[in-house]
Amino acid sequence: DSGVTQTPKHLITATGQRVTLRCSPRSGDLSVYWYQQSLDQGLQFLIQYYNGEERAKGNILERFSAQQFPDLHSELNLSSLELGDSALYFCASSVSANTNYEQYFGPGTRLTVT
Amino acid sequence: AQTVTQSQPEMSVQEAETVTLSCTYDTSESDYYLFWYKQPPSRQMILVIRQEAYKQQNATENRFSVNFQKAAKSFSLKISDSQLGDAAMYFCAYGRFGNEKLTFGTGTRLTIIP
Repeated sequence: DSGVTQTPKHLITATGQRVTLRCSPRSGDLSVYWYQQSLDQGLQFLIQYYNGEERAKGNILERFSAQQFPDLHSELNLSSLELGDSALYFCASSVSANTNYEQYFGPGTRLTVT
Repeated sequence: AQTVTQSQPEMSVQEAETVTLSCTYDTSESDYYLFWYKQPPSRQMILVIRQEAYKQQNATENRFSVNFQKAAKSFSLKISDSQLGDAAMYFCAYGRFGNEKLTFGTGTRLTIIP
């Protein structure tokens, strides 16, 4: 158990819908990262927040957005969902804002868009 | 842009034998970090080992060790005395010093033959 929690574990929804994925970082970690893993692919970095502020952006679609709240939990919002958005979405946290420190991954949220 | 290449989509090894997984990367940076993550069927991402580029000594963690060749931009993972629990996808990842995201390879699926 990494100490990072993600809810829900599974999500099935229809095209065009909007969903919210939630992540709680390890106690004491200020940085939250979101990654997308499509079927049998490597992880793609989406976005990072550090202590409530956006720190870095990867290949995140405009239909996707995220935020980090004062209690440091983070939410990833996916809207106008398409079939291709079906993937495993991981949240990771680290104590600092860069890769000097390990990123600890949550168990992921499996999103299926039908 | 940094890229990470894992040229072996699948590998298999007899239980108790040794296997080496390959990873190459491309970067113009001199300070960076390299990681191997394990993803078992549970899909949890588990950090196996990390290597700081400024360290000449290869990292080791019990049965896991790396062969880090900075000039060749190569970072292979050796698993000794393979066990059934080692069966998983293994991802090589790169993190630039002072940067935020990890760049992952496409993974190698390791099968352990009893």
